[in-house]
Amino acid sequence: EADIYQTPRYLVIGTGKKITLECSQTMGHDKMYWYQQDPGMELHLIHYSYGVNSTEKGDLSSESTVSRIRTEHFPLTLESARPSHTSQYLCASSLREQFFGPGTRLTVL
Amino acid sequence: QKEVEQNSGPLSVPEGAIASLNCTYSDRVSQSFFWYRQYSGKSPELIMSIYSNGDKEDGRFTAQLNKASQYVSLLIRDSQPSDSATYLCAVNSGNTGKLIFGQGTTLQVKP
Repeated sequence: EADIYQTPRYLVIGTGKKITLECSQTMGHDKMYWYQQDPGMELHLIHYSYGVNSTEKGDLSSESTVSRIRTEHFPLTLESARPSHTSQYLCASSLREQFFGPGTRLTVL
Repeated sequence: QKEVEQNSGPLSVPEGAIASLNCTYSDRVSQSFFWYRQYSGKSPELIMSIYSNGDKEDGRFTAQLNKASQYVSLLIRDSQPSDSATYLCAVNSGNTGKLIFGQGTTLQVKP
């Protein structure tokens, strides 16, 4: 079973706040990903990483940033949250098959 | 044309029937193909992966791949109401490790 964790699971926050969504995996996967998904809509890749100190922007433009200082950890940061950032954020990691974490549902008021 | 195409549905089948979900892709160099199940409000769960032409069976699930036709399908035998979910087809993008997801097909299994 895939061991990939995301915290918090739910976050309600006011406009202008800085937030960091945490993602950790214990499988030793080099590749990690962040997706954004609105209810009933498609998955959109916003960031990915092929290893430590490697990060790339995904197919959907995002104001968020990511870092990869440790293999197991891939946090996503929003410097100033806005209502348009309200969405579900899904972290994933892969060797050959990609496994998803439980997601963080973010609501910005 | 989208890189990975699925019929959004909903596909409605009676309990006990076979559900057939289809997916076409445009990138001929793709080598890895995946089916994910996603319940409403939850994250995608990998249920099948297939890498070579032909059929791959796992319990009630069978994935079928035809690279010449750029077509991959998922059959669910003896469908149960608990199978009601959105099924996502995903195809690898070259050697990048990135997956290209289809929009998903919503399956409804009626008791």
